[in-house]
Amino acid sequence: AQSVTQLDSQVPVFEEAPVELRCNYSSSVSVYLFWYVQYPNQGLQLLLKYLSGSTLVESINGFEAEFNKSQTSFHLRKPSVHISDTAEYFCAVSAVYGSNSGNTPLVFGKGTRLSVIA
Amino acid sequence: EAEVAQSPRYKITEKSQAVAFWCDPISGHATLYWYRQILGQGPELLVQFQDESVVDDSQLPKDRFSAERLKGVDSTLKIQPAELGDSAMYLCASSFRQGSTYNEQFFGPGTRLTVL
Repeated sequence: AQSVTQLDSQVPVFEEAPVELRCNYSSSVSVYLFWYVQYPNQGLQLLLKYLSGSTLVESINGFEAEFNKSQTSFHLRKPSVHISDTAEYFCAVSAVYGSNSGNTPLVFGKGTRLSVIA
Repeated sequence: EAEVAQSPRYKITEKSQAVAFWCDPISGHATLYWYRQILGQGPELLVQFQDESVVDDSQLPKDRFSAERLKGVDSTLKIQPAELGDSAMYLCASSFRQGSTYNEQFFGPGTRLTVL
């Protein structure tokens, strides 16, 4: 089984300041790793993912995350946040095994609420 | 752009009543998921379908919840009777097909259920 721990439930940060949202996971098998963003009363949107290859992955809106296998972490960072980044962020994993690795369910953390202050 | 459709967006019901939620996945997506998101928590899988077959319903409370995807396209999730603890956001997601290649899950806007 897999589990995901997001260490901070709420993170307030001033506009244009850097931010890091922390995520650790536990799994007995290899996993894919994801960050999703959720705006109020909306569904989840994929922000970025790690499947294989380079451990540093980037999104189109300036976020990046680094997969650290030894520390089982996948922290999300942005060097300068905007008001529009205010949202709930979820770290998630899905198991990689066998012939059905492409469609295993996501296991989510409890989320981190990022509040950007003007 | 193709999207996952869900209805209703909001539902208020009294406990012991029956409720039903509908999901229409992106056209051509064979895999469909129902997740439940309790306020302040991350989503948790309730049931996964591959075409019309259930792949995983181990976390579905089968005494009161049921899910079907009769023709392998749209899906309905039912709760009967609803309990106070069922208040949550119910999210539907779909992905292209089963297999070894990663397939992104696309989420609908969700149905927010309030049980009074």
